[in-house]
Amino acid sequence: AQSVTQLGSHVSVSEGALVLLRCNYSSSVPPYLFWYVQYPNQGLQLLLKYTTGATLVKGINGFEAEFKKSETSFHLTKPSAHMSDAAEYFCAVSVPGGGNKLTFGTGTQLKVEL
Amino acid sequence: KAGVTQTPRYLIKTRGQQVTLSCSPISGHRSVSWYQQTPGQGLQFLFEYFSETQRNKGNFPGRFSGRQFSNSRSEMNVSTLELGDSALYLCASSSPGGGVTDTQYFGPGTRLTVL
Repeated sequence: AQSVTQLGSHVSVSEGALVLLRCNYSSSVPPYLFWYVQYPNQGLQLLLKYTTGATLVKGINGFEAEFKKSETSFHLTKPSAHMSDAAEYFCAVSVPGGGNKLTFGTGTQLKVEL
Repeated sequence: KAGVTQTPRYLIKTRGQQVTLSCSPISGHRSVSWYQQTPGQGLQFLFEYFSETQRNKGNFPGRFSGRQFSNSRSEMNVSTLELGDSALYLCASSSPGGGVTDTQYFGPGTRLTVL
């Protein structure tokens, strides 16, 4: 079975600073990896996904993530944080043959301070 | 295109009752998945339907069931509600192919409170 670990349930950054949210996965087969964002009282929105091919994936709102097989990681970064980035972020994994079943991490609450 | 819609948005029930939640996917999407989100357990997969067939199922008791209609709309039912069933229930639909690499679009959720 696959799993996801997100280090840091709460991360605080200053506006304009680098955002780094960590995600490590476990999977016995090559995984598909996703980052979702959730704003208060809303559903999840896909930021980016890695399926195959280029390991550096660019997403919406200036976010990107790099798939590192040797480190089993898929960390999310953004060069310069904006107040509107404050939200909860979820890393998720799925595997070939698993249908659309996503296994989520526990989430990281991002706070952006002035 | 309209997004994924879920009804009702908020629901209050008492223990022992049953509840039915509805999800209308994006037009043309044939895959609908359901998730439960709670502060303690996080986001957990309930089940997925594709072209009216259950394609995948999570580790939930039989009190949780679902179905999908020919127009791809889906319902989930929880019978004999327990306090621990209080959660945000999220529905997601994916692109026409329904493949695992297709983007899943989430609805706003139904907030169920069990008293």
